[in-house]
Amino acid sequence: AQSVTQLGSHVSVSEGALVLLRCNYSSSVPPYLFWYVQYPNQGLQLLLKYTSAATLVKGINGFEAEFKKSETSFHLTKPSAHMSDAAEYFCAVSGPGANNLFFGTGTRLTVIP
Amino acid sequence: KAGVTQTPRYLIKTRGQQVTLSCSPISGHRSVSWYQQTPGQGLQFLFEYFSETQRNKGNFPGRFSGRQFSNSRSEMNVSTLELGDSALYLCASSLSQSEPRYTFGSGTRLTVV
Repeated sequence: AQSVTQLGSHVSVSEGALVLLRCNYSSSVPPYLFWYVQYPNQGLQLLLKYTSAATLVKGINGFEAEFKKSETSFHLTKPSAHMSDAAEYFCAVSGPGANNLFFGTGTRLTVIP
Repeated sequence: KAGVTQTPRYLIKTRGQQVTLSCSPISGHRSVSWYQQTPGQGLQFLFEYFSETQRNKGNFPGRFSGRQFSNSRSEMNVSTLELGDSALYLCASSLSQSEPRYTFGSGTRLTVV
């Protein structure tokens, strides 16, 4: 069985501050892990993914995430928040041979000017 | 390269009616999966098709069905609509399981009145 838990349904940061969005996973097989961003009335845009290569994954828009097997975590970070980062972020898990994603409940990021 | 195209973008239907939603994947992608997004339940997997065959199905009633055509375009159908079927329906396409990269469309917003 596979699942993800996103800690914090709402996160607020000041513009220029560090962004940290938390995701913990549960998987009976080596996981594939994803972070997606969703802007209002839009679909999901892939930020980055981990598929068992490098544990530190760099994505688009300055985001990165580190896979930590010992902590079963895949937290998303960005050194300096920008107003355009305000959106909802979803962590998702899949696995080798799997053909669907299991999503977390999402974290809404607010950026305060 | 065109992205995943979902039509229509918005739809209003009456309880008891049926509806068909369409998804055209990225050219060359043979896997198409569907997700339902609601405020209460979040993002839930409906089903996935690969080469016209349904490979996986989520926990939804039989009123939800889908199919995939030889050109990889997919449709999903919901019969006997209920108010609770109001949601954003998202389609994602993927090239292969060995290098998963699910690209989502902008979704179809279905409102059942």
